[in-house]
Amino acid sequence: DTGVSQDPRHKITKRGQNVTFRCDPISEHNRLYWYRQTLGQGPEFLTYFQNEAQLEKSRLLSDRFSAERPKGSFSTLEIQRTEQGDSAMYLCASSRGQEVAKNIQYFGAGTRLSVL
Amino acid sequence: AQKVTQAQTEISVVEKEDVTLDCVYETRDTTYYLFWYKQPPSGELVFLIRRNSFDEQNEISGRYSWNFQKSTSSFNFTITASQVVDSAVYFCALSEADSGGYQKVTFGTGTKLQVIP
Repeated sequence: DTGVSQDPRHKITKRGQNVTFRCDPISEHNRLYWYRQTLGQGPEFLTYFQNEAQLEKSRLLSDRFSAERPKGSFSTLEIQRTEQGDSAMYLCASSRGQEVAKNIQYFGAGTRLSVL
Repeated sequence: AQKVTQAQTEISVVEKEDVTLDCVYETRDTTYYLFWYKQPPSGELVFLIRRNSFDEQNEISGRYSWNFQKSTSSFNFTITASQVVDSAVYFCALSEADSGGYQKVTFGTGTKLQVIP
């Protein structure tokens, strides 16, 4: 299996612009997660998909953030009207199956967003 | 609410020294899972180990070993004979299982390990 792939790796944008990130999970992984990591901190959960259904959203996910996984494969995370506080690394992870034993999250290399 | 504390922000050791990374967790659940991940400078989080709350056996994998103690809510990670390639940020994490099998993972703030040649 190839690993979790995220694109782009880096994104620089001006405040107020919209940005979109893409995540391709490991094939046949039906769960997909988005996390945000700021400097010196651990990743913080944003949202989670089981196939195409978005099952949970963190309170960190303001109404400017939207995530989709339309066909249950790749996912996109869009941030509208970006703010400087959105600058962070956005990490995607995927896992396989509902069986707890298989539910280990494997992470991509992340998209680093810088809002000027 | 679950919480993971990694009190060591940064550790520096000389190559070939042993080093232990501390992790203390808080949870109200009786069933939970503990993880260690490694984040090298490239940014990708690399899965190292997962233990469940019912299995307190210590585990060794090559130069890596983990000491899980429920009595002190700790899950410490030891690297024996450290190497420069071990330089990275290491995260301890905790997840609670729910009936649907979904596990929301809570990460600590990480310990940056620098191995000096």
